[in-house]
Amino acid sequence: NAGVTQTPKFQVLKTGQSMTLQCAQDMNHEYMSWYRQDPGMGLRLIHYSVGAGITDQGEVPNGYNVSRSTTEDFPLRLLSAAPSQTSVYFCASSPPGYTEAFFGQGTRLTVV
Amino acid sequence: AQSVAQPEDQVNVAEGNPLTVKCTYSVSGNPYLFWYVQYPNRGLQFLLKYITGDNLVKGSYGFEAEFNKSQTSFHLKKPSALVSDSALYFCAVRDYGDYKLSFGAGTTVTVRA
Repeated sequence: NAGVTQTPKFQVLKTGQSMTLQCAQDMNHEYMSWYRQDPGMGLRLIHYSVGAGITDQGEVPNGYNVSRSTTEDFPLRLLSAAPSQTSVYFCASSPPGYTEAFFGQGTRLTVV
Repeated sequence: AQSVAQPEDQVNVAEGNPLTVKCTYSVSGNPYLFWYVQYPNRGLQFLLKYITGDNLVKGSYGFEAEFNKSQTSFHLKKPSALVSDSALYFCAVRDYGDYKLSFGAGTTVTVRA
């Protein structure tokens, strides 16, 4: 079972570069979300989607864009990378109802 | 708005001793509560959840958690800790009718042999 797949696992960017973090799930989950994890701050919600074509901002959306053209994919775009975006990024998905979220293995991003 | 507090950055216990990781929450409606564990350089693994019903919830790897509505707490417990339980633990909450999860800052558990 693939579950939630994130690519790449590691990435180094220069300040000002753009890139897309990929997230795909094969469980037909409606809800998908992106979090960033920073030491001592837990996981903070960046953007989320409740279905194809529907996205919304979370707690820390600045500097990031998302789109949801299919149920399976939810890419996160960094428009112009900044050192403050150095973090570990997690994608998660969940079905409707009371179940838990399923997380990918994470992408460790360093912006120099 | 919903929020979670994990008051302890670190918990250190000896193997075989009881382990408790504390969590308090705030939501406007009925809470859905979760515990996740993260091992080094890995994603988050689900341990257990409280939705409704019994206040004592049992989960994976011998962990359990007690929901206390009056104290707005959801502490994670294990009667006898193992060295392999050493990891980062996160408490999370969802408000009724909302998909969004809010996480605590995490508690690092170290179990010494």
